[in-house]
Amino acid sequence: AQSVSQHNHHVILSEAASLELGCNYSYGGTVNLFWYVQYPGQHLQLLLKYFSGDPLVKGIKGFEAEFIKSKFSFNLRKPSVQWSDTAEYFCAVNAAGFQKLVFGTGTRLLVSP
Amino acid sequence: DTAVSQTPKYLVTQMGNDKSIKCEQNLGHDTMYWYKQDSKKFLKIMFSYNNKELIINETVPNRFSPKSPDKAHLNLHINSLELGDSAVYFCASSQVAGGGGANVLTFGAGSRLTVL
Repeated sequence: AQSVSQHNHHVILSEAASLELGCNYSYGGTVNLFWYVQYPGQHLQLLLKYFSGDPLVKGIKGFEAEFIKSKFSFNLRKPSVQWSDTAEYFCAVNAAGFQKLVFGTGTRLLVSP
Repeated sequence: DTAVSQTPKYLVTQMGNDKSIKCEQNLGHDTMYWYKQDSKKFLKIMFSYNNKELIINETVPNRFSPKSPDKAHLNLHINSLELGDSAVYFCASSQVAGGGGANVLTFGAGSRLTVL
């Protein structure tokens, strides 16, 4: 069965610091990968997704993620965070042939001004 | 125009009561989902319907009964509510089951259920 691990549960950064959130999945076959963001009190919104092609994908608000198949990873990055990036970030995987999206446990990011 | 709308947004009720949460999507998607987000923010799929047919039924107590009258609606009825049912319930929809292919899940704003 597919699963997703997000090792950073809480991250605290100052504005302008660089961000990297880890995401690893366990599934040996073809996968679709996603990062969702949940701002305080709001619903989940898609940040970016990887289906195929260039393993470096760019999303909204300056976020990007790199799919490294050999490491089963899909880490999220942003070169310079802003206070408005304070939110919960969820990595998710959909394995080919499985009809559900499985989420990681989330990483809470707090950006101090 | 809200793409995925859930009602009510907040629900406070006593243990043992029965309650329902409704969800509607106007995106023309074929697949709808219910996810439960607990107090630690962990998101877990509960049910999924594709064109009114149940396709995913995770290990959920049978006190939870989903119902999809048409592909634009997916309701969740919960009987005999327990303290542990307190959570935020998110409805979502996608064109392709699982969010794969060129399509992704679009989430509603959530329904926060508090059982006292």
